[in-house]
Amino acid sequence: GNSVTQMEGPVTLSEEAFLTINCTYTATGYPSLFWYVQYPGEGLQLLLKATKADDKGSNKGFEATYRKETTSFHLEKGSVQVSDSAVYFCALSNAGNNRKLIWGLGTSLAVNP
Amino acid sequence: DTEVTQTPKHLVMGMTNKKSLKCEQHMGHRAMYWYKQKAKKPPELMFVYSYEKLSINESVPSRFSPECPNSSLLNLHLHALQPEDSALYLCASSQVPRAGGGDEQFFGPGTRLTVL
Repeated sequence: GNSVTQMEGPVTLSEEAFLTINCTYTATGYPSLFWYVQYPGEGLQLLLKATKADDKGSNKGFEATYRKETTSFHLEKGSVQVSDSAVYFCALSNAGNNRKLIWGLGTSLAVNP
Repeated sequence: DTEVTQTPKHLVMGMTNKKSLKCEQHMGHRAMYWYKQKAKKPPELMFVYSYEKLSINESVPSRFSPECPNSSLLNLHLHALQPEDSALYLCASSQVPRAGGGDEQFFGPGTRLTVL
């Protein structure tokens, strides 16, 4: 079946540190991959996406590359800010399951000044 | 306009009350979704509407009743809820999923529901 595994948090970093949040997936065929972010007290915002192998999604300094050979979609940012403190969810959408979003469990990030 | 709006922002209700949550989008999307989210957990899909017709019901109890009056609006009618139904209820919209992919969902800010 389809599944998403992301690294457990919480992750605590100092401002300007490098961020990596690991995400791996299991799926048949060619899923679309997403990172969503949820700031405290808010709904979910699409951060970036990739729809085919080797695509790189990027937004607000965040990047993730769709790696089919390693079934991964790791989220990275070179220099985090306090305002990046949030919960980050990796998700996939696959034609084989009605294109419902399959979610990782989320990774909580806290950035200290 | 790339926004999904939801009202109310907060709702407190007793177990015998009837209330409704509302969602609106003006992105021309023809798929709309209701999710339930508990704190620090991923959202759980409840219902999907495609072209204003209910296409997926994830075995949601009948005390939750969805309605899609038109392509821009989605309601969730609540009746006889239980305290364990307290959660953040999120609405989302997207293009109708197609084989080619790229069907990201856009979420509203949610309604935080407390059932007493």
